[in-house]
Amino acid sequence: EAGVAQSPRYKIIEKRQSVAFWCNPISGHATLYWYQQILGQGPKLLIQFQNNGVVDDSQLPKDRFSAERLKGVDSTLKIQPAKLEDSAVYLCASSSLRTAYEQYFGPGTRLTVT
Amino acid sequence: AQSVAQPEDQVNVAEGNPLTVKCTYSVSGNPYLFWYVQYPNRGLQFLLKYITGDNLVKGSYGFEAEFNKSQTSFHLKKPSALVSDSALYFCAVRVPRANNLFFGTGTRLTVIP
Repeated sequence: EAGVAQSPRYKIIEKRQSVAFWCNPISGHATLYWYQQILGQGPKLLIQFQNNGVVDDSQLPKDRFSAERLKGVDSTLKIQPAKLEDSAVYLCASSSLRTAYEQYFGPGTRLTVT
Repeated sequence: AQSVAQPEDQVNVAEGNPLTVKCTYSVSGNPYLFWYVQYPNRGLQFLLKYITGDNLVKGSYGFEAEFNKSQTSFHLKKPSALVSDSALYFCAVRVPRANNLFFGTGTRLTVIP
């Protein structure tokens, strides 16, 4: 079974630029998560989708971050405009409804904002 | 609100010795607890979980964890450490009424040959 795919793996941008990350979850997984992991910290949930609906986006800075999962499969996370403090690894994870608590993570996208 | 504490940033252990990585939690309602491991340049991997039942939970790669309700702890253990166990370990708790996870800050385990 293929794992969670993410791209790009690395991205360097200047502050105030925009950036987008892509995630393809494990086939058949209804739930998709985006986490932000700042160096030295644990992952923090940004947004959770079930199929193409948002379950939890309470920690998403909505003035600059947006995410979508239009067809209930792939997802994109966008930052516009980026700030220095957005430098982090952005992790995508997915889970099935049957094993909801076992989340499978992708390799992450390391974002550096200069 | 839920919280997870991993009191040790770093744990060093000699190869072949038993290892323990500590985790304490605070959550309303029944705790659902998890351990994940993160290797360099890779995503987190699920190790084990406690939902209900036996307090001793067995997981991947020979790891186990003991749920202690009175001490609100969920320490990760392994009887004999391997050099390949060196990684970053995260404890997590389910957020009540949601199917997502709240993670601790992580503990870096180094197994010394």
